[in-house]
Amino acid sequence: QQQVKQSPQSLIVQKGGISIINCAYENTAFDYFPWYQQFPGKGPALLIAIRPDVSEKKEGRFTISFNKSAKQFSLHIMDSQPGDSATYFCAASPSMEYGNKLVFGAGTILRVKS
Amino acid sequence: EAQVTQNPRYLITVTGKKLTVTCSQNMNHEYMSWYRQDPGLGLRQIYYSMNVEVTDKGDVPEGYKVSRKEKRNFPLILESPSPNQTSLYFCASSLQGYYGYTFGSGTRLTVV
Repeated sequence: QQQVKQSPQSLIVQKGGISIINCAYENTAFDYFPWYQQFPGKGPALLIAIRPDVSEKKEGRFTISFNKSAKQFSLHIMDSQPGDSATYFCAASPSMEYGNKLVFGAGTILRVKS
Repeated sequence: EAQVTQNPRYLITVTGKKLTVTCSQNMNHEYMSWYRQDPGLGLRQIYYSMNVEVTDKGDVPEGYKVSRKEKRNFPLILESPSPNQTSLYFCASSLQGYYGYTFGSGTRLTVV
């Protein structure tokens, strides 16, 4: 059973468009929500992260939106570029629990067409 | 350069033949973890270690063993590999558990 549900599985966006990836969770103990970016042949790399005390965090073209009451969070990539083509994983962790595991979503394969 | 190094990158083996995938980090991180990545399932944690000699099961530990005798190394052992362990494996380390994982480049394992 996936503790973090991610959608869509794949996404094709035109260059310059907005890419949106959504995630939902059930465990209210989750209090840290990162996004990882993975290029083919590489390991995932931390892109941006948010805690539930803020509703939005922006870093360059990447923005996380967080809705605590709905237990949902999303990644928006503004002005999407071909170099953004990668697999994106959302994740969540109960940072105060023993082991504070990081649980990942199933991933979204993003392709930005030039 | 700060990094997590896994070896080998690719491995094809036969059912039942014991193998070890090595993982080493040079960042003095206390927390290390093994994940497997399968299409449609994302990354699932196999085992993690919060410090030397402290290890615990993740979500999919069956068929795997780990040890943490030194801070920098965290090998993954498959005592009797089976075809359902064919997967892409990642080692990761962090200073503080969940926060800011650094991943290795992965080990693609095929068990025939």
